[in-house]
Amino acid sequence: GAVVSQHPSRVICKSGTSVKIECRSLDFQATTMFWYRQFPKQSLMLMATSNEGSKATYEQGVEKDKFLINHASLTLSTLTVTSAHPEDSSFYICSVGEKSYNEQFFGPGTRLTVL
Amino acid sequence: GQNIDQPTEMTATEGAIVQINCTYQTSGFNGLFWYQQHAGEAPTFLSYNVLDGLEEKGRFSSFLSRSKGYSYLLLKELQMKDSASYLCAGMDSNYQLIWGAGTKLIIKP
Repeated sequence: GAVVSQHPSRVICKSGTSVKIECRSLDFQATTMFWYRQFPKQSLMLMATSNEGSKATYEQGVEKDKFLINHASLTLSTLTVTSAHPEDSSFYICSVGEKSYNEQFFGPGTRLTVL
Repeated sequence: GQNIDQPTEMTATEGAIVQINCTYQTSGFNGLFWYQQHAGEAPTFLSYNVLDGLEEKGRFSSFLSRSKGYSYLLLKELQMKDSASYLCAGMDSNYQLIWGAGTKLIIKP
């Protein structure tokens, strides 16, 4: 399967600052990447679908101006949490997998803590 | 609407067998997934069913009944390392995964 990495694995930031999370597909050319958020003891919530070379598709209720997604190449997608607040503290996970693919491969996740 | 239901938590004994059930309602159906997630880690793929029946993979098996909108994950010869959350996810007609809240499995010695 595809190998997916995320950086950083853990980040602590002050309220009001912006944080960039990178998702890299190391051995799979990913035209589509998915960004999820997971709060403690809850399931994965799809935030957006990142499409290479075009604008991301955001799920209902997710602010696209707050969660900026850039998918500039087939191996890299970035999620920037702008003006982070404590309620944005969560586990952010990316995955790769084409729409017709019967599996998604997940990155190791990024734990964001906003003070 | 689309929905995935699974128990919140289950407890089992080391060496025993446990069955985690999942019922699903999706707009169209392109398969049912089971993922394992240890605390603080990303999910890892366990199984995929798109046809009715049982798929066996070592100590883990997964069953699907499309007519009943029902699946289960069967774990045999439980080991302490199997303590984790098990996520059921259905793939709808747009190939989007609809996730359940996960079942936390606690293994006791």
